[in-house]
Amino acid sequence: DGGITQSPKYLFRKEGQNVTLSCEQNLNHDAMYWYRQDPGQGLRLIYYSQIVNDFQKGDIAEGYSVSREKKESFPLTVTSAQKNPTAFYLCASKGLGRGNTGELFFGEGSRLTVL
Amino acid sequence: KNQVEQSPQSLIILEGKNCTLQCNYTVSPFSNLRWYKQDTGRGPVSLTIMTFSENTKSNGRYTATLDADTKQSSLHITASQLSDSASYICVVSAMNNAGNMLTFGGGTRLMVKP
Repeated sequence: DGGITQSPKYLFRKEGQNVTLSCEQNLNHDAMYWYRQDPGQGLRLIYYSQIVNDFQKGDIAEGYSVSREKKESFPLTVTSAQKNPTAFYLCASKGLGRGNTGELFFGEGSRLTVL
Repeated sequence: KNQVEQSPQSLIILEGKNCTLQCNYTVSPFSNLRWYKQDTGRGPVSLTIMTFSENTKSNGRYTATLDADTKQSSLHITASQLSDSASYICVVSAMNNAGNMLTFGGGTRLMVKP
C-alpha cells in the first residue's frame, strides 16, 4: 500500500546526542515536509523539500538538519543544538503540479523524548 | 501575519450528540481550507477541503462550511461516535510567489463519552 513511513515511533535521547528520524514515502510525491507538534500548538514547519538535493528552512529550523538524496526519503536530524527537542515530529508529503489536490499526507509520527 | 484560530480548544460531548467546531482565519491570499482529524499519537488525516467558491461540503457525518467573507469555517459532527474522539485541525492554504503556504490552527480536542 502507498503511504508514508516514519521510524522510530518512540525515541529517547540523552542531552548532547544527535538523533535521526527516518521518513520514507512511496507515493511518488515531489514535496516532503517535517513538522513539529507541541501540546496545544499548531504544527510548525521545520524544513521542506520540493526536489531531490534541495531543501529550504521552515519557521523553526534552528537545531535541525535534513537531507534529500532520494525522492522517497527525507530524514531529519535533531542535533544537540536544539534547545528543547522533546516533541512529536510529523513527516508529510504532497504531490505537486496538475492533477494533485494539494493534500498533505502525513506519517504516523515520531515521539522524541530527551532525558 | 497569517493566523488560524480554532475554538473551542477542547470539548466533551456524549455519544450520539452533535457538535460544531469553529475555525477563524486571517490568511491572504486565500487558496483553500482543509479539516484534518488526528487520533492521539497518530498523523493527521484529511477530512475535507473547501475552496473559495464552496459553502458546504459533507463527508459522511462530517459537514464543513466556509464563509469566505467573514473568513470563518465550521466542522459539524452529527450523531457523534466514540471513534470521533480526536483532535481536529483546521489548515488554511495561501498561494503566493513562494508557492503554497500552509497555516495550521492549534486544533480542537474532542472527547466523546459513552
